[in-house]
Amino acid sequence: GESVGLHLPTLSVQEGDNSIINCAYSNSASDYFIWYKQESGKGPQFIIDIRSNMDKRQGQRVTVLLNKTVKHLSLQIAATQPGDSAVYFCAENIDNAGNMLTFGGGTRLMVKP
Amino acid sequence: DAGVIQSPRHEVTEMGQEVTLRCKPISGHNSLFWYRQTMMRGLELLIYFNNNVPIDDSGMPEDRFSAKMPNASFSTLKIQPSEPRDSAVYFCASSPQGGEKLFFGSGTQLSVL
Repeated sequence: GESVGLHLPTLSVQEGDNSIINCAYSNSASDYFIWYKQESGKGPQFIIDIRSNMDKRQGQRVTVLLNKTVKHLSLQIAATQPGDSAVYFCAENIDNAGNMLTFGGGTRLMVKP
Repeated sequence: DAGVIQSPRHEVTEMGQEVTLRCKPISGHNSLFWYRQTMMRGLELLIYFNNNVPIDDSGMPEDRFSAKMPNASFSTLKIQPSEPRDSAVYFCASSPQGGEKLFFGSGTQLSVL
């Protein structure tokens, strides 16, 4: 979910369930994508990244899926834990030099114990 | 490494005053970024430097904003004169390689009264 201003999309999941956070990106020429987690009062923290020559990449409990056809990115979190509660941002490189990382609006993940 | 270090953590000032935010990037990183985060606009890139040289400042909102990077281990973002609409959280981030895998500081919460 993309933010459209004041209201952050919110995903509420039960502890232990899997979470899927979605992101639509804007530039079909973007070749690098990244997911960040931001907890309250802290700066964004790197989770996982993926290049456009891949459609899937796995980390520890997280998987990023990239669908270039529809310009869609998703973050899957397995066995969601209370510590996963945060706002999650996707970001893309939008300039040809790959220097400008532009962030989406974010999705709030709430994990119910 | 201590990560990206920003100071101050909180700044409260009156409209019209000068504000200076400081950032120490991670040693060895050659790119530095200043972002602003608000509820309305999310994370916005203000300016970024490569090897201490400003590359793109198109995100700087007005001439009241200026940024410098006199050496590889220090950058400042200055607002003069400050206005209430400048109230936001300002993040500094650094990366070893352009706009990929940015590491963020904890941010400066700025309140302009």
